[in-house]
Amino acid sequence: GQSLEQPSEVTAVEGAIVQINCTYQTSGFYGLSWYQQHDGGAPTFLSYNALDGLEETGRFSSFLSRSDSYGYLLLQELQMKDSASYFCAVRDEDNFNKFYFGSGTKLNVKP
Amino acid sequence: DAGVIQSPRHEVTEMGQEVTLRCKPISGHDYLFWYRQTMMRGLELLIYFNNNVPIDDSGMPEDRFSAKMPNASFSTLKIQPSEPRDSAVYFCASSTNLLAGGVTDTQYFGPGTRLTVL
Repeated sequence: GQSLEQPSEVTAVEGAIVQINCTYQTSGFYGLSWYQQHDGGAPTFLSYNALDGLEETGRFSSFLSRSDSYGYLLLQELQMKDSASYFCAVRDEDNFNKFYFGSGTKLNVKP
Repeated sequence: DAGVIQSPRHEVTEMGQEVTLRCKPISGHDYLFWYRQTMMRGLELLIYFNNNVPIDDSGMPEDRFSAKMPNASFSTLKIQPSEPRDSAVYFCASSTNLLAGGVTDTQYFGPGTRLTVL
């Protein structure tokens, strides 16, 4: 089966850079996704890495190392609105359209 | 587009009652997913449909849960009878062409239904 591990909580100050790590265990791998969820809101898609390396989208970047079964989400120039939970997700090894989500990392951005 | 629409947004019911949650996916999306989110178990996939057909319901907790998708624009998740441990936020999500992979791997989530069973 699949398992994903993320830190439960991270705190950083406005304007700083923060990295949220995700390690996964899966027999088959089809890519790592990241979702953001504000309190009381719905998860929204941030990024997807199928291949090794860094994907950049504005202030957010996502990195993948398939050999290390590891990825991270990098948030730069933190803003108060970035306070949210961040989830990594992988596909099921046998069922391509079935996703497993990590337990989420709660990011607290302080002024 | 209005995005994924779910109703009701909040539901409070008593144990033993039937609960029906509703979802309208984004037009043109051929995959529909039902998730449940709790503090203890996180975000869990309950069931998903492709072209209105249930593909994987292995996440459905027990026979009290059932889901249908009578057409491409509507799906329901029913709990009968409901129990306090069913209290959670239930999300519906839709997507298209996931098999193509490519640039995105996106599921679009609805606002969720917060269910409280007393």
